[in-house]
Amino acid sequence: DADVTQTPRNRITKTGKRIMLECSQTKGHDRMYWYRQDPGLGLRLIYYSFDVKDINKGEISDGYSVSRQAQAKFSLSLESAIPNQTALYFCATSDLLAGELETQYFGPGTRLLVL
Amino acid sequence: GENVEQHPSTLSVQEGDSAVIKCTYSDSASNYFPWYKQELGKRPQLIIDIRSNVGEKKDQRIAVTLNKTAKHFSLHITETQPEDSAVYFCAAITGANNLFFGTGTRLTVIP
Repeated sequence: DADVTQTPRNRITKTGKRIMLECSQTKGHDRMYWYRQDPGLGLRLIYYSFDVKDINKGEISDGYSVSRQAQAKFSLSLESAIPNQTALYFCATSDLLAGELETQYFGPGTRLLVL
Repeated sequence: GENVEQHPSTLSVQEGDSAVIKCTYSDSASNYFPWYKQELGKRPQLIIDIRSNVGEKKDQRIAVTLNKTAKHFSLHITETQPEDSAVYFCAAITGANNLFFGTGTRLTVIP
C-alpha cells in the first residue's frame, strides 16, 4: 500500500547508536502506530498516536521514543540501540468511522539489525 | 487488558482442503476482530474482519465466525490454493481502541 511509506527499509547499526525510523502517510488518517515483529511473537505495539498532540505508550515502549511531527508523519527513535532491538518494524495508520475503529493499513516495514 | 491466543502456530494442508485457525480473547468488551495475511517479506494486509453484532461473515473462500459467549473467533479458508500460503494473524480491539495481535499461524498449502 503506497499510501504508507517507511524509511529506511533496511538499517544496520551498532550498539549504543541513536537511530530514527520514519513513517509517512497520505491516507489522511489521524491514528498512527509503531509495531515491532519478532518471529513467533506476532506484532507488538510500541507507541501510538491518535492525533498530533496525543502520544501513548504501547505494550513494549521501553528503549523507544516517538515524535508526531504532523498528521502525516510519525517517527520512531531508538535512543541507544541494543541487539535485542533487532526486529522488523512496521508503521500503521487507521481512522474512526462513525466512532468505530477501521482497519489498520501497514507500511512496508523497516528491517533493523543492531550489532 | 486484552490478551489474544492463536492456534495452531503452524498448519499444513493439501491443496483443495480447508484450513481453520482459531483465536481466543480475554476482554469481553472487545467488539472488532480483524484477520491479516502476511506473505513472505511483505506487510500484513487485512483479509476479513468481523464486528460483534454478527456471528459470521464470508468473502468468497474466506469466512470468519465469532462466538462472543466463549470469546473465540475463527478463520476458515475453503478450497485452499498454494497462494494462500502465508502467515495469518488474528487481532482484537482493546479498551484503548487499539488492536492486540495473536502470535500468528504459518499456513502451508501443499500442491
